Amino acid sequence: EVQLVESGGGLVQPGGSLRLSCAASGFTLSNYEIYWLRQAPGKGLEWVSYIGISGSTKYYSDSVNGRFTISTDNTKNSLYLQMTSLRGEDTAVYYCARDPQLGMDVFDIWGQGTMVTVSS
Amino acid sequence: EIVMTQSPDTLSVSPGQRATLSCRASQSVSSKLAWYQQKPGQAPRLLIYGASTRATGIPDRFSGSGSGTGFTLTISSLQSEDFAIYYCQQYSNWPPWTFGQGTKVEIK
Repeated sequence: EVQLVESGGGLVQPGGSLRLSCAASGFTLSNYEIYWLRQAPGKGLEWVSYIGISGSTKYYSDSVNGRFTISTDNTKNSLYLQMTSLRGEDTAVYYCARDPQLGMDVFDIWGQGTMVTVSS
Repeated sequence: EIVMTQSPDTLSVSPGQRATLSCRASQSVSSKLAWYQQKPGQAPRLLIYGASTRATGIPDRFSGSGSGTGFTLTISSLQSEDFAIYYCQQYSNWPPWTFGQGTKVEIK
């Protein structure tokens, strides 16, 4: 079964750091474009970061650029989001999602999400 | 950045009736428009891409139309499982990939 499973969320103080993981199964992560998206409580969907096939290209939203880093580990078939200098407005459910085909730029497989709460 | 605006914010519809949701882009996105369905506590699910192509496994009561700046998602006969929040997303001009604020379809 093609699946993404996130982990690593939790409660962190403002200014703190957290690393999210997204484990893929049923397909090889490095063969796909993969995204991180987030959803603040009661709010809509927001794109956070992108990594291209084989980690070739990376993009970040303006709101996280310089604070978040996306990466992959092909040996573990996993995606990561290293988050630093966390702020209250980073509180959200974080999802990883897959683009089904190079250049399609939509999200066909999503993880179940992991909650990040930034609060003192 | 392309801004996506959905209307209405909430749509009250009786089961078996038709629901029509709108999405407008701040500039042309051609046909690079997707629709997602999200139920409480769940991740979004891809319904439509390319403005009108149903994703794998999506029932044919869901249909999408439009191009340029104006798009519509139609649910021809609402089933109980269709009550959810629906989001449109553009993928014409990125980054960023941007979403509308969502339309909640609720039982009338």
